[in-house]
Amino acid sequence: QVQLQESGPGLVKPSETLSLTCTVSGGTISIYYWNWIRQSPGKGLEWIGYVYYSGSTDYNPSLKSRLTMSVDTSKNQFSLKLNSVTAADTAVYYCARMSVTDRQGFDYWGQGILVTVSS
Amino acid sequence: EIVMTQSPATLSVSPGERATLSCRASQSVSSNLAWYQQKPGQAPRLLIYGASTRATGIPARFSGSRSGTEFTLTISSLQSEDFAVYYCQQYYHWPPWTFGQGTKVDIK
Repeated sequence: QVQLQESGPGLVKPSETLSLTCTVSGGTISIYYWNWIRQSPGKGLEWIGYVYYSGSTDYNPSLKSRLTMSVDTSKNQFSLKLNSVTAADTAVYYCARMSVTDRQGFDYWGQGILVTVSS
Repeated sequence: EIVMTQSPATLSVSPGERATLSCRASQSVSSNLAWYQQKPGQAPRLLIYGASTRATGIPARFSGSRSGTEFTLTISSLQSEDFAVYYCQQYYHWPPWTFGQGTKVDIK
C-alpha cells in the first residue's frame, strides 16, 4: 500500500523559508508527478506544483518566484522550499501523487502538515 | 487559469436522500475532471476521475457525469459517512491544476 508522509517544521518566521519533505513508501517514485497542495485554514485547496522523478518541475505561476522543488530517488523523498513566507502562507500542506501515464487525479495523499507563519 | 465553480456552497440533505453537486469549468477540460471527498482533519480522498470513473474502493452510490463544461457528482442515497466537503478539480490545463471552492454536504 502506497503511503506518503510529510515532515518539517510546524512554525516558520515571516520572511524565512518554509521547507517540507514528503517520504513515499510502498511504491516506486518513478512515472508519477509528485505534488504539493495546500489548504489555508477554513479555505479550499490550492495546487502548489510538482516534481517528476527526473527532477523536472512545474509550479503554480502565483508562487513560482518563491518556489523550489526537488526529488531524491535514493531516499524515495521529494521536497518543497517556499521562501519569503508571510502569514498568507499559513496552511496545511499536503503531498500527493498523480500518474504521468494515466492522469487520473491525485490518488494518494499524505495526512498533511500544518505550517504556521508567525514571529 | 481555468476557474472551477461549484454549487451550491452548502447542501442540506437527509440520510437516505439523493445529493446532486455541480461543478462548472470556465473553459473546456474535456473529461479531465476529478471529485474528492474531505472530512474534518483528513486529507481529501479521490472519488471519481475521468468525470465518471469511480476510484478503487469507492461505493457505487457515488457517480459522476459530464455535459460540456458542466459536471455533476451524485450520491444516490446518503449515508452518515458521506457528510463531508466535496471538491472538483481539473487536470486538463496546467499550470496550474485547479480546484473548485467546495460544496459542504450536511445533515438536514
